[in-house]
Amino acid sequence: GPKVLQIPSHQIIDMGQMVTLNCDPVSNHLYFYWYKQILGQQMEFLVNFYNGKVMEKSKLFKDQFSVERPDGSYFTLKIQPTALEDSAVYFCASSFGTGGLQDTQYFGPGTRLLVL
Amino acid sequence: GDSVIQMQGQVTLSENDFLFINCTYSTTGYPTLFWYVQYSGEGPQLLLQVTTANNKGSSRGFEATYDKGTTSFHLQKTSVQEIDSAVYYCAMRGPSSGGNYKPTFGKGTSLVVHP
Repeated sequence: GPKVLQIPSHQIIDMGQMVTLNCDPVSNHLYFYWYKQILGQQMEFLVNFYNGKVMEKSKLFKDQFSVERPDGSYFTLKIQPTALEDSAVYFCASSFGTGGLQDTQYFGPGTRLLVL
Repeated sequence: GDSVIQMQGQVTLSENDFLFINCTYSTTGYPTLFWYVQYSGEGPQLLLQVTTANNKGSSRGFEATYDKGTTSFHLQKTSVQEIDSAVYYCAMRGPSSGGNYKPTFGKGTSLVVHP
């Protein structure tokens, strides 16, 4: 089936530094999402993105977070500066649309971020 | 606000046992409802999805019925197998006509099936 890729699979970074998580969504998809999952806890929605804009974001999407997808390349999540509580697995997802069966989101395998 | 409440923690069964994981939701209007399955070390993948109230979704022996009356979307399987061991998430997405693009996930239920 359709695949979403995430790069890197693991990232270790010192607190205060910047990190960029990359997502290669399904090729004809139009909507893109980031989720955060702290070890052993539920997955929580961060943000979704369409047509170059953030459509909706949760309160977990702090001011230090930003997303973009320049010229159809990777869909990225940037955290600047990072904090200890940003340590988690970040999942990217994409969908073709937002109605009916087009709602189906395809998830990547996640990027495991550890902030020291 | 929107919420999805599902049975939390771990469910431990033996092969060929009956599985029931409850899920209720709260929102306005008629959302799309989902069950996702997450195997160890992987991202979630869609198990089944229902967009119309009172319809049933099924996949790989799993079933869930969108019950608008009780606002529930319980997951069932008649006979589980060891390969079904995973975390199961109930999820909801608000009606797109309302402009609600934010999906809401439940806390997840870990299923362990012993041979």
